[in-house]
Amino acid sequence: DAKTTQPNSMESNEEEPVHLPCNHSTISGTDYIHWYRQLPSQGPEYVIHGLTSNVNNRMASLAIAEDRKSSTLILHRATLRDAAVYYCILRRGGNMRFGAGTRLTVKP
Amino acid sequence: KAGVTQTPRYLIKTRGQQVTLSCSPISGHRSVSWYQQTPGQGLQFLFEYFSETQRNKGNFPGRFSGRQFSNSRSEMNVSTLELGDSALYLCASSYTSGDTQYFGPGTRLTVL
Repeated sequence: DAKTTQPNSMESNEEEPVHLPCNHSTISGTDYIHWYRQLPSQGPEYVIHGLTSNVNNRMASLAIAEDRKSSTLILHRATLRDAAVYYCILRRGGNMRFGAGTRLTVKP
Repeated sequence: KAGVTQTPRYLIKTRGQQVTLSCSPISGHRSVSWYQQTPGQGLQFLFEYFSETQRNKGNFPGRFSGRQFSNSRSEMNVSTLELGDSALYLCASSYTSGDTQYFGPGTRLTVL
């Protein structure tokens, strides 16, 4: 299975943009890049996903490298509510394989 | 629309017992997946059911089993509980297999 690599932790200041990186050098052509986040004491929550092109939604933006070997989740203005563990997942078909994720701390 | 619900939310069992956890998916969703989350191993995929059939299975022993009913509700069962089975068990539903998954709050199982 293709694997993702993320930094263990990142810090951000409130109201500033946050760029969360993910490396997936062994990605295959049919793997979708998914991002989920898990707030304390909750189940994971879908954030965004993409295949080749950059994607935007009300929560975040996803920038995918041209060779697809890396991607970046962008939170445009971090709030305290965005403090969570962010998971970058390569998905092919039904199941999802989570890595350790990046713990994002947002400072007021 | 109501989200994914899991019952019970908390459970305490002793070694050797068995346990059944329940998951009600979002209305209209036909795929249900189960995950185990522990501090040491993180989130690990257990299995996925779609239209009452197991579609995918993770790398867990046969003590872990599941099923899905005609109304898409799902149960998972763990027999002969071990201390290492203490974990948060998460259920996720999606409209179809491969679609975006929506997670429930989980069932916290403690094995003593």
